[in-house]
Amino acid sequence: QKEVEQNSGPLSVPEGAIASLNCTYSDRGSQSFFWYRQYSGKSPELIMFIYSNGDKEDGRFTAQLNKASQYVSLLIRDSQPSDSATYLCAVTFNAGNNRKLIWGLGTSLAVNP
Amino acid sequence: NAGVTQTPKFQVLKTGQSMTLQCAQDMNHNSMYWYRQDPGMGLRLIYYSASEGTTDKGEVPNGYNVSRLNKREFSLRLESAAPSQTSVYFCASTTDRGHQPQHFGDGTRLSIL
Repeated sequence: QKEVEQNSGPLSVPEGAIASLNCTYSDRGSQSFFWYRQYSGKSPELIMFIYSNGDKEDGRFTAQLNKASQYVSLLIRDSQPSDSATYLCAVTFNAGNNRKLIWGLGTSLAVNP
Repeated sequence: NAGVTQTPKFQVLKTGQSMTLQCAQDMNHNSMYWYRQDPGMGLRLIYYSASEGTTDKGEVPNGYNVSRLNKREFSLRLESAAPSQTSVYFCASTTDRGHQPQHFGDGTRLSIL
């Protein structure tokens, strides 16, 4: 069974620090990796995607992918209280002729002023 | 530009009642999705529509039906509501035919008594 695992947290970091969120996945054939942010009581919001090994930066966010070790990370630099949310990792894998998206349960991040 | 609009936002039903959740997007997206989100279970795909006129089952389709009325609208129907269908329902859309939703609606909080 294909799985995506995340530490549920809460991960607590002080304002201005780097928050590091990790996600592991079970299928070596997975091709695409996504990070969503979900504020309490709100809908998920796509914030990053990465397809190739290495780092991808977008503002204060960096996604890191290591396919050999089957993990993908999200780094948030200069963390702000407004970054406090649950971060969902999602991974695609091939299922026959279809491509499916598997979601992790999310990591709760708390940024303390 | 409203994005993805879901109605209603809240609903309470009695067991056995039926209802339709409405979803519309104004971004000219091809693919649309219905998810449910439950504590400890994460996001689970109910149905998706890769393009107008097509629909496919997701992970948890039992007890639901969908209609892709046109490119903009994708509705979810509960024919005979059961307490196990108490959940938060999200509609989402994406521009391509992949399986990574880009934009989510605000959600429908549905309680079945």
